[in-house]
Amino acid sequence: DAKTTQPPSMDCAEGRAANLPCNHSTISGNEYVYWYRQIHSQGPQYIIHGLKNNETNEMASLIITEDRKSSTLILPHATLRDTAVYYCIVRVAIRNFGNEKLTFGTGTRLTIIP
Amino acid sequence: DTAVSQTPKYLVTQMGNDKSIKCEQNLGHDTMYWYKQDSKKFLKIMFSYNNKELIINETVPNRFSPKSPDKAHLNLHINSLELGDSAVYFCASSTSLAKNIQYFGAGTRLSVL
Repeated sequence: DAKTTQPPSMDCAEGRAANLPCNHSTISGNEYVYWYRQIHSQGPQYIIHGLKNNETNEMASLIITEDRKSSTLILPHATLRDTAVYYCIVRVAIRNFGNEKLTFGTGTRLTIIP
Repeated sequence: DTAVSQTPKYLVTQMGNDKSIKCEQNLGHDTMYWYKQDSKKFLKIMFSYNNKELIINETVPNRFSPKSPDKAHLNLHINSLELGDSAVYFCASSTSLAKNIQYFGAGTRLSVL
């Protein structure tokens, strides 16, 4: 799985868009970008994933650069409940019958400021 | 209904004891996992099971023995507990059809004294 680099921490004002960057310069053609987050003392929560097109769901948007070497997770209107550690994970998305382990890095600690 | 539930939520025990953590998922998934999050907050895979068959065993000491009686349950038994086993243990599940989208339980905080 390709290695990812994220800033260790970020602040964002409540109500503003939070933009979390992730570098994955060694990503290969069949690897997807996944985002999970972990709110304090809870289990990680899936947010979104994508291959090369931008993706949006009810939680967030994912913007992947054309060369796929970096991506940005966007929380459009951050609330205090979005304070969490956000993990960017890159790996293949094949059906692999149990071998789909997620390798978590250190993530970005996002703090939403009232 | 909680999708992935773990019991107990907290577990405090003495060194040398044997303890079990239980996990159940009601999502109809065929794959379940155990992850360990240590005091430095690193989250690492320990085991995965697919249809009750062990798939991943990430160099975990053999004092840790997972058991999957059916697809909906994956339990973790730990023998001869050591101080270094203190951590938060997370269970997760996924379906082989849904490409690395894993659903996690709330965690079991194990403290070994």
